[in-house]
Amino acid sequence: DAGVTQSPTHLIKTRGQQVTLRCSPISGHKSVSWYQQVLGQGPQFIFQYYEKEERGRGNFPDRFSARQFPNYSSELNVNALLLGDSALYLCASSLSTTSGQETQYFGPGTRLLVL
Amino acid sequence: DQQVKQNSPSLSVQEGRISILNCDYTNSMFDYFLWYKKYPAEGPTFLISISSIKDKNEDGRFTVFLNKSAKHLSLHIVPSQPGDSAVYFCAAPNYGQNFVFGPGTRLSVLP
Repeated sequence: DAGVTQSPTHLIKTRGQQVTLRCSPISGHKSVSWYQQVLGQGPQFIFQYYEKEERGRGNFPDRFSARQFPNYSSELNVNALLLGDSALYLCASSLSTTSGQETQYFGPGTRLLVL
Repeated sequence: DQQVKQNSPSLSVQEGRISILNCDYTNSMFDYFLWYKKYPAEGPTFLISISSIKDKNEDGRFTVFLNKSAKHLSLHIVPSQPGDSAVYFCAAPNYGQNFVFGPGTRLSVLP
């Protein structure tokens, strides 16, 4: 079975531009979460979606937005890019959000460089 | 406010010996913990988890110990292998919505 897939793998943008990152969860998983990881830190939570609804949002500005589609894939959008947005963006999927003892499975990430 | 802490940024161990990675947490509401391993240019890979109703969980060479009173958990790898060289993250689900991660410990297993 395919794991979590993300596209693109790498991206270079300039300040002020907009970017869209894509994620396909593991088949059967209905929850998708997005994380940002900068060098030397653990992943930081951005959004969680379950059944196409936002279920959680981390401490990120409104320039960050996301959505989930009927097939449970997801997009993360970042507007008005800043140099500080340069990071590895990780997508994780899980079966549901109900138990609280879920395991999230991560994709390979999209490395974004903002110049 | 770091809810999950990994105070050792790096650890070097000889091949065949035991690796012990530590993690402390501050939120007493956490009831499930996970360890992830991350190689460069890859996403984190789930390694092992433990529920707060247990104090130990074992999977092959990997064992996680949980001390709830001390709010401390540790990952033991025995025997350590060069392929175990990676960054290890401790994580906990926060109200079932998102995971809170520690900053990671870089493990180097020397041949």
